[in-house]
Amino acid sequence: GENVEQHPSTLSVQEGDSAVIKCTYSDSASNYFPWYKQELGKRPQLIIDIRSNVGEKKDQRIAVTLNKTAKHFSLHITETQPEDSAVYFCAASYYFGNEKLTFGTGTRLTIIP
Amino acid sequence: SQTIHQWPATLVQPVGSPLSLECTVEGTSNPNLYWYRQAAGRGLQLLFYSVGIGQISSEVPQNLSASRPQDRQFILSSKKLLLSDSGFYLCAWSSPPRRGTLNTEAFFGQGTRLTVV
Repeated sequence: GENVEQHPSTLSVQEGDSAVIKCTYSDSASNYFPWYKQELGKRPQLIIDIRSNVGEKKDQRIAVTLNKTAKHFSLHITETQPEDSAVYFCAASYYFGNEKLTFGTGTRLTIIP
Repeated sequence: SQTIHQWPATLVQPVGSPLSLECTVEGTSNPNLYWYRQAAGRGLQLLFYSVGIGQISSEVPQNLSASRPQDRQFILSSKKLLLSDSGFYLCAWSSPPRRGTLNTEAFFGQGTRLTVV
């Protein structure tokens, strides 16, 4: 089955700096890679996703990149703000396959004011 | 609009007692349903997922079981809880993929914090 590894487990950055979270996956058939944000005490919510037919996607301060050959994908947050503090999860699934989402272990991001 | 309900929000149960957590989805049909567990300081571990009534796939061998008696109802159960079953349990749903649509976003319930004592 799919195995998703996520690094780092914790990350602290100064407000205004950039944050990068990296994930690798094992199943070359995976073709859908979402990122979820979980604020303290709340449920995870989708913030951005990318499919295997594109290499990069951007939404305001958030961007994701995908390297299918190396089987890794990354989340980039620029101009970080205090409200970016949360736990971020990457995930992978095989769209039009079994569709189950396999999550990484999460990254606790802390933005230092 | 679609909504997902999960209850109870918190639960304290003694070791060896049974468990039943329920999740229902409204506003959609034939959803994919998932049970995840989030242990303290760890990621989201997929426990079970279902693509239809009576169709359950188990990801992790354990003393938990899941059932889907109705299209939009997903139940997580245990006959005898262990201390290691403590954690935050999340139910989620996603739309089955359809040709021409690209959205497989998973929507999570608010979770159940289970403490086994």
